[in-house]
Amino acid sequence: GENVEQHPSTLSVQEGDSAVIKCTYSDSASNYFPWYKQELGKGPQLIIDIRSNVGEKKDQRIAVTLNKTAKHFSLHITETQPEDSAVYFCAASRDNAGNMLTFGGGTRLMVKP
Amino acid sequence: ETGVTQTPRHLVMGMTNKKSLKCEQHLGHNAMYWYKQSAKKPLELMFVYNFKEQTENNSVPSRFSPECPNSSHLFLHLHTLQPEDSALYLCASSQDLWTGRGYTFGSGTRLTVV
Repeated sequence: GENVEQHPSTLSVQEGDSAVIKCTYSDSASNYFPWYKQELGKGPQLIIDIRSNVGEKKDQRIAVTLNKTAKHFSLHITETQPEDSAVYFCAASRDNAGNMLTFGGGTRLMVKP
Repeated sequence: ETGVTQTPRHLVMGMTNKKSLKCEQHLGHNAMYWYKQSAKKPLELMFVYNFKEQTENNSVPSRFSPECPNSSHLFLHLHTLQPEDSALYLCASSQDLWTGRGYTFGSGTRLTVV
């Protein structure tokens, strides 16, 4: 089955700096890669996703890049703000439905004011 | 609110108790999921339902028993749990098992087994 590794497990940045979280996956057939943000006391929320037919996707301060050959994808947050502090999860799935996700272990991002 | 509501938010139960977790969604979704989230572990898929039919049981012990009476409601019945079952239990829903728009999660039930 699919295996998703996520690094780093914790990340501390200064407000205004950029943050990068990286994930690798094992199943070359995986073709859908969402990112979730989990704030304290809440469930994970989808913040951005990418499919294997594109290499990069942006949404304001958030971007995701995908390298299918190397089987890794990354989340980039620019101009970080204290409200970006949360746990971020990457995930992968192999079917076009984007379901039956396999999640990475999570990254705790702390943005210091 | 995400549209997926879980109750109760917190639950403390003894190892001999029987309790149930409830999940309700009004998003018109047809697939629902139970996940277990333990400290320092990845999200673990437990059960999947698609149009009320169970499609996945990820080797979950029989002390966890899911029920999906309709596409809007999902239950997780608990009995004779162990302390290691203490975790955050998350419910999620999606359009179905074919439409790729990701999951909507509830806020979870924090379960403590004493």
